Amino acid sequence: EAGVAQSPRYKIIEKRQSVAFWCNPISGHATLYWYQQILGQGPKLLIQFQNNGVVDDSQLPKDRFSAERLKGVDSTLKIQPAKLEDSAVYLCASSLGTSGRDQETQYFGPGTRLLVL
Amino acid sequence: KNQVEQSPQSLIILEGKNCTLQCNYTVSPFSNLRWYKQDTGRGPVSLTIMTFSENTKSNGRYTATLDADTKQSSLHITASQLSDSASYICVVSATGGYNKLIFGAGTRLAVHP
Repeated sequence: EAGVAQSPRYKIIEKRQSVAFWCNPISGHATLYWYQQILGQGPKLLIQFQNNGVVDDSQLPKDRFSAERLKGVDSTLKIQPAKLEDSAVYLCASSLGTSGRDQETQYFGPGTRLLVL
Repeated sequence: KNQVEQSPQSLIILEGKNCTLQCNYTVSPFSNLRWYKQDTGRGPVSLTIMTFSENTKSNGRYTATLDADTKQSSLHITASQLSDSASYICVVSATGGYNKLIFGAGTRLAVHP
């Protein structure tokens, strides 16, 4: 079974530029998550989709971050404009169920490492 | 406030030795607790998951314990191997949410030959 795919793996941009990340979840997984992981910290949830609807985006900085999951499969996360503090690893994860039950395991992709100069 | 705290922040052990990582949480209402292993440059991978009624769970050389009364968990690694070098993250889920996880900062383990 193929895992969660993410691209690019690495990205270096200057502050105030824009950047987009792509995620392809495990086939059949209804729930998709984007996390931000700053060096030395645990992942922080940015946004959670159930199919193509947003379940939780309470920690997404909406003035500069946006995400979409058209057709309930692939997803993109965009930052515009980027700030120095956005330097982090952006992890995408997916889980199976449509109910988003507490015990469902999330499967993580390898992440995109972003450096903002 | 829901929080997960892990100790130590980092740990160095020699190959073949055992070690124990600690996790304290203040998540309520508690649903389950997971331990994840995150290799450098990779996403986290689930090792164990325990619900309120479980107080121990093993996965090979990894054994997790849970004390729901004191809100503490530990991850014990037996006969460590070089491939155990990674960050170990304690993750707690609250009941009733849409699978929202609260992550600890992780313990970075280095196993030396």
